[in-house]
Amino acid sequence: GAVVSQHPSWVICKSGTSVKIECRSLDFQATTMFWYRQFPKQSLMLMATSNEGSKATYEQGVEKDKFLINHASLTLSTLTVTSAHPEDSSFYICSARVTGTAKNIQYFGAGTRLSVL
Amino acid sequence: RKEVEQDPGPFNVPEGATVAFNCTYSNSASQSFFWYRQDCRKEPKLLMSVYSSGNEDGRFTAQLNRASQYISLLIRDSKLSDSATYLCVVKNAGGGNKLTFGTGTQLKVEL
Repeated sequence: GAVVSQHPSWVICKSGTSVKIECRSLDFQATTMFWYRQFPKQSLMLMATSNEGSKATYEQGVEKDKFLINHASLTLSTLTVTSAHPEDSSFYICSARVTGTAKNIQYFGAGTRLSVL
Repeated sequence: RKEVEQDPGPFNVPEGATVAFNCTYSNSASQSFFWYRQDCRKEPKLLMSVYSSGNEDGRFTAQLNRASQYISLLIRDSKLSDSATYLCVVKNAGGGNKLTFGTGTQLKVEL
């Protein structure tokens, strides 16, 4: 199946710093990528939809100035958590939809576990 | 009411048992349905899509009841390696291909 690479897999940072997470589609082009967040024992919650070459679409309640998304190419989207605080500690997962498929299948990255001290 | 609801479990079953999970969804306009599997601290992985006619993939059978708005997953002859959290996922009508995830049902298969 399609491969989505997410980096880093784990990051620990001090409160107030910014953290950038990368999501790459390795063997296909993805015009649309999605960013999710998952707190312990909770479901994945969609944060934003990232569209190549245009602004991301954020879900209600997600601060676009805090979670900066850039999708500059068909294979790379980045999520930057700016001025991270302990409450931002979570599991962040990206996914990419294979362009041109009617199956609506999304492939997920391995996730990034963010711990803000 | 949550868009997608699942019994969180855990379901503890002996190896070889048959186990069934149910999931209900609130949006009658939902279009596509999936079961994903998520291992601890890992990303979700697609297990199977769910079709109106029901579908089977080896030991796994998925069924959809649109009238009652519920989806089921049946696992036969459980293996230790089936231990994971099973996520019910729904795609609603409209653009964007946004997926809505249930909180998942945890399965523990024991010797």
